[in-house]
Amino acid sequence: SQQGEEDPQALSIQEGENATMNCSYKTSINNLQWYRQNSGRGLVHLILIRSNEREKHSGRLRVTLDTSKKSSSLLITASRAADTASYFCARGTSGGYNKLIFGAGTRLAVHP
Amino acid sequence: EAGVVQSPRYKIIEKKQPVAFWCNPISGHNTLYWYLQNLGQGPELLIRYENEEAVDDSQLPKDRFSAERLKGVDSTLKIQPAELGDSAVYLCASSSIAGAGEQYFGPGTRLTVT
Repeated sequence: SQQGEEDPQALSIQEGENATMNCSYKTSINNLQWYRQNSGRGLVHLILIRSNEREKHSGRLRVTLDTSKKSSSLLITASRAADTASYFCARGTSGGYNKLIFGAGTRLAVHP
Repeated sequence: EAGVVQSPRYKIIEKKQPVAFWCNPISGHNTLYWYLQNLGQGPELLIRYENEEAVDDSQLPKDRFSAERLKGVDSTLKIQPAELGDSAVYLCASSSIAGAGEQYFGPGTRLTVT
């Protein structure tokens, strides 16, 4: 079963606009990761943020993590049509055995 | 560097038939994962291997699913017999770091059971 929620479930924007996706979780984490999945393709790792980090950047991507609120957000700036995809957050569990638990994803559509 | 390779990409079978999926991880990656992804959902872990040892198969339905990773490289996931509810995408991933580090995914096998 999925643990954690992503919000919104779907997002539709115009090229050039910013897109923000949110992820919440319930238990402690070691890290939180974001992945992208294009139609018909496998998942591609975008960014990993550790539990002791608050913000991380990678190109047009900015990820924040608030462990007190158990939430993370992914911001894509100046979106392009090629950003159209599903975006998944995955929490890396803490404790003796680390595993990734994925959310249900946000489906982003960027219109030219 | 070659990515994770999976075959076949698509498979259509009738219920009660067996089916097998193959995965070749990135060279040098000791950790291999099999995930199940239903439509509109994120991947769910079925089994994780550290070299040739299955270290987490708690989510694998062992009455019909089996997996092996001979010699700690390639892996095969089998379903026998398949049921209608098994229709999904089966993803293989690998990583160089055990645990919750970055994972590299293959394109998946889309299984349709009729």
